[in-house]
Amino acid sequence: DADVTQTPRNRITKTGKRIMLECSQTKGHDRMYWYRQDPGLGLRLIYYSFDVKDINKGEISDGYSVSRQAQAKFSLSLESAIPNQTALYFCATSEPAGASTDTQYFGPGTRLTVL
Amino acid sequence: LAKTTQPVSMDSYEGQEVNITCSHNNIATNDYITWYQQFPSQGPRFIIQGYKTKVTNEVASLFIPADRKSSTLSLPRVSLSDTAVYYCLVDVTNTGNQFYFGTGTSLTVIP
Repeated sequence: DADVTQTPRNRITKTGKRIMLECSQTKGHDRMYWYRQDPGLGLRLIYYSFDVKDINKGEISDGYSVSRQAQAKFSLSLESAIPNQTALYFCATSEPAGASTDTQYFGPGTRLTVL
Repeated sequence: LAKTTQPVSMDSYEGQEVNITCSHNNIATNDYITWYQQFPSQGPRFIIQGYKTKVTNEVASLFIPADRKSSTLSLPRVSLSDTAVYYCLVDVTNTGNQFYFGTGTSLTVIP
């Protein structure tokens, strides 16, 4: 979805390096999410934010941190990358849907390889 | 937590109707059921959402029985382009709208 962009799209780094993945959206949504996906596995939630001042841990937050710089921007950092953080990372956005569940809109993904 | 169980994989021939069932025994009263589709190296895409009985859109139908402990995604007359992974999600309202995608069902459409 072109409304949700991620940079970089691919990144190779070495163990111990600090890495930041960026996510920007033009959908005007308040809610943003970071997921990782490993081969043969589903998506697992790392962190999510419901507005600029709100940050929440997801299922697998250890080894990651996030920053919500503005409504449109949500960054994911790996302070000291390790090989088992090699994965495909997705950013997503949503807008509160009232009584029903939000529909999430995903970015194209960032493929991260940690050597 | 209201997690889901789906078959790991399914195969179907082109032109067939495909039904993928998801179990969600611990679904809460206010939870909705949502299905996403994911192609390789792309982010998931919303397909359909429902609360009870039947929902239909231009892509699929969703059947939810009265007890809401399961749901079935129905794809009419699949084509090769429907080959993808399909995820069933149940809103975990008690823990603030977290999304558990699980491993999904890998559908392969055969010519």
